[in-house]
Amino acid sequence: AQTVTQSQPEMSVQEAETVTLSCTYDTSESDYYLFWYKQPPSRQMILVIRQEAYKQQNATENRFSVNFQKAAKSFSLKISDSQLGDAAMYFCAYRSGRGGGADGLTFGKGTHLIIQP
Amino acid sequence: NAGVTQTPKFRVLKTGQSMTLLCAQDMNHEYMYWYRQDPGMGLRLIHYSVGEGTTAKGEVPDGYNVSRLKKQNFLLGLESAAPSQTSVYFCASRGGGGATQYFGPGTRLTVL
Repeated sequence: AQTVTQSQPEMSVQEAETVTLSCTYDTSESDYYLFWYKQPPSRQMILVIRQEAYKQQNATENRFSVNFQKAAKSFSLKISDSQLGDAAMYFCAYRSGRGGGADGLTFGKGTHLIIQP
Repeated sequence: NAGVTQTPKFRVLKTGQSMTLLCAQDMNHEYMYWYRQDPGMGLRLIHYSVGEGTTAKGEVPDGYNVSRLKKQNFLLGLESAAPSQTSVYFCASRGGGGATQYFGPGTRLTVL
């Protein structure tokens, strides 16, 4: 079974600075997808960014980018120019690329991101 | 489009009572999922469906049943609620291939 580990229960950053959230995963598969979801106090799960394992290029969405290291099984999220609205729980998630079967997401325990004004 | 909706948003049950959570999606997605989220933990998969009329067990299926009679709906049932089922429940859906899962707003369930 796959596992996802987020080793930082909580991170704090000053507004406008850059912060990196860590995620490692364990899998024997070569085809898979990785995601970062944001959960604000409203509890809605919001997709931040996704990465296909077969793509070598790191995904980027505006101020959010990832550092995907497939050999090291590492998938960190970098948030640039942090804003107050970025404050939330961030979850790293894994999905097998097998498809058609047990392809629900496997989540880490989350990192609580605090933005200091 | 409403996306993924869940009914109800909040519910309080007594131990032994039953209830059904309803998930609906208007995106014509094949795949649907039920997760639970407990404090200090990420979401865990309860049951999922890969199409109308199909269901399968996820990581934590005990105490729950599901049905997918219509493509757009996925129901989660608790036949005899227990305090250990106090949690926030999320439904999600996705299209085929490498599509992303989209989540509903969640249902907070308390079992006394």
